[in-house]
Amino acid sequence: GAVVSQHPSRVICKSGTSVKIECRSLDFQATTMFWYRQFPKQSLMLMATSNEGSKATYEQGVEKDKFLINHASLTLSTLTVTSAHPEDSSFYICSASKGGSSYNEQFFGPGTRLTVL
Amino acid sequence: GNSVTQMEGPVTLSEEAFLTINCTYTATGYPSLFWYVQYPGEGLQLLLKATKADDKGSNKGFEATYRKETTSFHLEKGSVQVSDSAVYFCALNRNTGNQFYFGTGTSLTVIP
Repeated sequence: GAVVSQHPSRVICKSGTSVKIECRSLDFQATTMFWYRQFPKQSLMLMATSNEGSKATYEQGVEKDKFLINHASLTLSTLTVTSAHPEDSSFYICSASKGGSSYNEQFFGPGTRLTVL
Repeated sequence: GNSVTQMEGPVTLSEEAFLTINCTYTATGYPSLFWYVQYPGEGLQLLLKATKADDKGSNKGFEATYRKETTSFHLEKGSVQVSDSAVYFCALNRNTGNQFYFGTGTSLTVIP
């Protein structure tokens, strides 16, 4: 159990367009979902934490108007990259936590490769 | 601050060789430490973890010991297999929230 999916796995878009990435917990309810960004040969960097039904908490330096996060249900969170530019090209990974204790294991999705032309 | 530094790759080993991937950390308080593995085309999977000093995490023949005195959590396996080829991430969690801090990942390729 504890499978997290992401869609799409890969997307190429033109500069100025918006792209939506979905993250779903397939067999559990996720009280909290996380969005990470990974540049080549670099660490996963936490972008934001989202709890179902409330506004996401963004990490310092992450533009909330640029990266819109919606966590509308306990099994779905979406990340929308608005007016994408080439510098937004990256690997975006989500994870989900079941909740219930001070430390919660996170289950990761397979990632979405975004390329902005 | 909180950070994780792990050995840069890529690492290439012959089957049945001994594996060590170094990981050191900087953290406030008493973090939990983790190794995650990412197989090609898949998400990160928890490989093993340790929640306090001197704990040893182990799984699938991999081991790592939480060393507070050296702030390290090195990953070891006595005899690697081709199926162990993947990217390995060291990470810490401060236990005061859900935020994880990841190392840069180490790519391992095991050749027959």
